[in-house]
Amino acid sequence: EVQLVESGGGLVQPGGSLRLSCAASGFTFSSMNWVRQAPGKGLEWVSYISSTSSTIYYADSVKGRFTISRDNAKNSLYLQMNSLRDEDTAVYYCARRSPDSSGPLDAFDIWGQGTMVTVSS
Amino acid sequence: EIVMTQSPATLSVSPGERATLSCRASQSVSSNLAWYQQKPGQAPRLLIYGASTRATGIPARFSGSGSGTEFTLTISSLQSEDFAVYYCQQYNNWPPYTFGQGTKLEIQ
Repeated sequence: EVQLVESGGGLVQPGGSLRLSCAASGFTFSSMNWVRQAPGKGLEWVSYISSTSSTIYYADSVKGRFTISRDNAKNSLYLQMNSLRDEDTAVYYCARRSPDSSGPLDAFDIWGQGTMVTVSS
Repeated sequence: EIVMTQSPATLSVSPGERATLSCRASQSVSSNLAWYQQKPGQAPRLLIYGASTRATGIPARFSGSGSGTEFTLTISSLQSEDFAVYYCQQYNNWPPYTFGQGTKLEIQ
């Protein structure tokens, strides 16, 4: 079964840290992204990592505070979030960038169910 | 950064009728545009990629059109399960990937 399962969300105080995980199964674990959604708001791309970790990008809003990584042996994706702010409160989704050149190449074709991060004192 | 603008913010349509949602890019994204559907409490689901190609398992009543800066998602005959929020996303010029703010499709 094709699946992405996020974990690690929770309540954290401003300035604190949290590490999110995303476990992949049933598909090619290619380039991956983190996308977040603040309560009642739209989708915001957060970070990207290529299949070999050679290329990494961040949104300006998280650059210098968040770190994306992956362990291909474990089919797992991570997001280390430091210096958290109130505005980081959101559901965080991991999503695959499709590698399928005969299909939805580059679109986000597989999504996890999300994990909620709440930053509050 | 390419800004994606969706209209309208909310669209009220009756079941069985046609719905037309718009997405505009601040500069050309060629055909590198996707549409996603999101229902309450669920993750987004890929509907359309390459501006006009339906993703696997998406019903034929969903169609996408456009290129460059103007795009349209059309749902030909609305079913109850189609009432949701729809987002467009460009993947032509990134980072960053950018999404529109969403169109909420509600039952009239």
